[in-house]
Amino acid sequence: EVQLLESGGGLVQPGGSLKFSCAASGFAFSSYAMSWVRQAPGKGLEWVSTINSGGGSTFYADSVKGRFTISRDNSKNTLYLEMSNLRSEDTAAYFCAKVLYSKYTYGPFDSWGQGSLVTVSS
Amino acid sequence: DIQMTQSPSSLSASVGDRITITCRASHPIGSYLSWYQHIPGTAPRLLISDASTLQSGVPSRFSGSASGTEFTLTISGLQPEDFATYYCLQSYTSTITFGQGTRLEIK
Repeated sequence: EVQLLESGGGLVQPGGSLKFSCAASGFAFSSYAMSWVRQAPGKGLEWVSTINSGGGSTFYADSVKGRFTISRDNSKNTLYLEMSNLRSEDTAAYFCAKVLYSKYTYGPFDSWGQGSLVTVSS
Repeated sequence: DIQMTQSPSSLSASVGDRITITCRASHPIGSYLSWYQHIPGTAPRLLISDASTLQSGVPSRFSGSASGTEFTLTISGLQPEDFATYYCLQSYTSTITFGQGTRLEIK
């Protein structure tokens, strides 16, 4: 059974930093691209970032480019999202998500973590 | 970037009804369109991939179709557990985009 377990959320001040982790199990992690998706309170789902299976290609939404960094450690079956210069509009539940097909990079997403909340507030 | 225009934004229906939700892409995306069900506080659930491929374990009352850049999710015979928010997603380009969401409520 595929499991994605996020950790690292919390309260952070504007301008601060935070790092999410997503521990994966139940599938060949190193063979699949992974993404982060977020949902701000009362808003819809928003794609944040994607990393290919090997970690050599990364993609970001314009809203987080230059502030967020996606990475992965295939030896630890773990996906990361490092967030810096956080803004109030980054307040959201963040989900890690696995791509359905190993041959695809961008989607669709067949497995999701339970979500981890970050609140950016002074 | 490819924009996904999803409609309606909300929908009120009764158990047993047939409903359709539409997403229109601003540029051709082939069949790189998927549909998700999201209940607050839970992980989104993939219902349909490749515009019309029903995922394993998803009831057959869910179906997807495509015509050019217009994509449709149909639920035939709504069940109480279907009342949730639904999203389309295009994964044709590296800049992935979701539709705005359709909140399906019980009438």
